[in-house]
Parts: sequence; structure tokens; C-alpha cells
Amino acid sequence: EAGVTQFPSHSVIEKGQTVTLRCDPISGHDNLYWYRRVMGKEIKFLLHFVKESKQDESGMPNNRFLAERTGGTYSTLKVQPAELEDSGVYFCASSRTAARGKLFFGSGTQLSVL
Amino acid sequence: GDSVTQMEGPVTLSEEAFLTINCTYTATGYPSLFWYVQYPGEGLQLLLKATKADDKGSNKGFEATYRKETTSFHLEKGSVQVSDSAVYFCALKQAGGNQAGTALIFGKGTTLSVSS
Repeated sequence: EAGVTQFPSHSVIEKGQTVTLRCDPISGHDNLYWYRRVMGKEIKFLLHFVKESKQDESGMPNNRFLAERTGGTYSTLKVQPAELEDSGVYFCASSRTAARGKLFFGSGTQLSVL
Repeated sequence: GDSVTQMEGPVTLSEEAFLTINCTYTATGYPSLFWYVQYPGEGLQLLLKATKADDKGSNKGFEATYRKETTSFHLEKGSVQVSDSAVYFCALKQAGGNQAGTALIFGKGTTLSVSS
């Protein structure tokens, strides 16, 4: 069974540019999550999809971030325009159910905004 | 709001040493508690969990006991190996199924480095 796949693994962009991160969850996992870890800080929740619907987007920092999950399969997270403070590692995770807390994580996308 | 506090790292140990990584939490009610581990170049993976007070989670020689009286969930291992070198994250999750606001809440992570 393939795991959660994220790409790119690294992205270096300049302030003001746009970046799109992609996540392919484990097949059959309806729940998909985005998290972010800024260097030296906690991994912070961004949002949660159940199939194609946003169940909880309370962690999205501002309207420069747009997440989509068309068709309930893969998801994209777009940052436009990127700011310096957006730098960090963006993790995607998926699970079959949301209740038990066992998430399967991708290896993350390291985003550097210069 | 709910939060998790972990001991600052990095933690550097020799092989076969005893490991403790402290974790305390602040939360209302009765959350579930987790330890996740991230090996170099990989995603986080669940190491162990406990869902109620006095439960002990265990896996791969690691153990943690849910202590409600001290709001703690310290991770321990009696004899670490070089292959245990990784970043360890303590986390909590409120009950509530698919309801909004029940995402995992993580600590900052503790880097463990084990040398032979």
C-alpha cells in the first residue's frame, strides 16, 4: 500500500510569488489534513477535509492560503502571494476515520520564502 | 486553549542508555494522548497512544503512561539504539469523532541522537 505522497519535497521561492503544494493521501482515506511546522515551533493544524468538503479550516492563517480537494482524492495547498513567515515544513496526513487520532503522514514539503 | 509542552532538545545519549522525554499537557476534559516519531527523511508515524487515565501505551520498547493527576505522558525506553535517533512529538486529541476542532495538537518535538 502506497503511503501519503507529497511534492515537491522542497520549494524555494521569492516573497510575492505563488507556490502550490500537492498531497496524495492513502487510497480510501476520506480524511485529509494539512499541518505546518515553522522552525523550532509546534506542528500546527491548518485544515481538515472529509472527502471533498472542508470539515475544519480554523487553522488556516489568512486568505493567502487556499486548499482544495477536488473529487475527494488528492489535495493542493496554494500560497499566494507568499510571505517570509510562510517558510516551514508543510505536512499532509490522511486517515480512514477521524475519531482515533492515528494519522499517516507524508514526509512534508520544505518551503523557503526568500 | 489546549496545548502540549515537551522538554527541549536535543537529547544526546549513548547506545543502551535509558531515555526519558518529558511531556505535559493542558486540556479540558479527557483527551487522548499520543507519541509520534519522525525518522530522518520520513513522515511522522504513530509510536504509541493512550486514551484514558492510567493507560499505558507501548511499542518497540517505548512506553508512556497517561497520568491525569500530573497531566503528563512521559516517553521512556530502557535501552536506546542508534536506530532510535529521530524527532519525537507528543500530541493530544480531544474526543469528538469527526467534529470540527478535534485535530491533533502537537508539542514542539524533541530531537534524540543516539551514538554507538
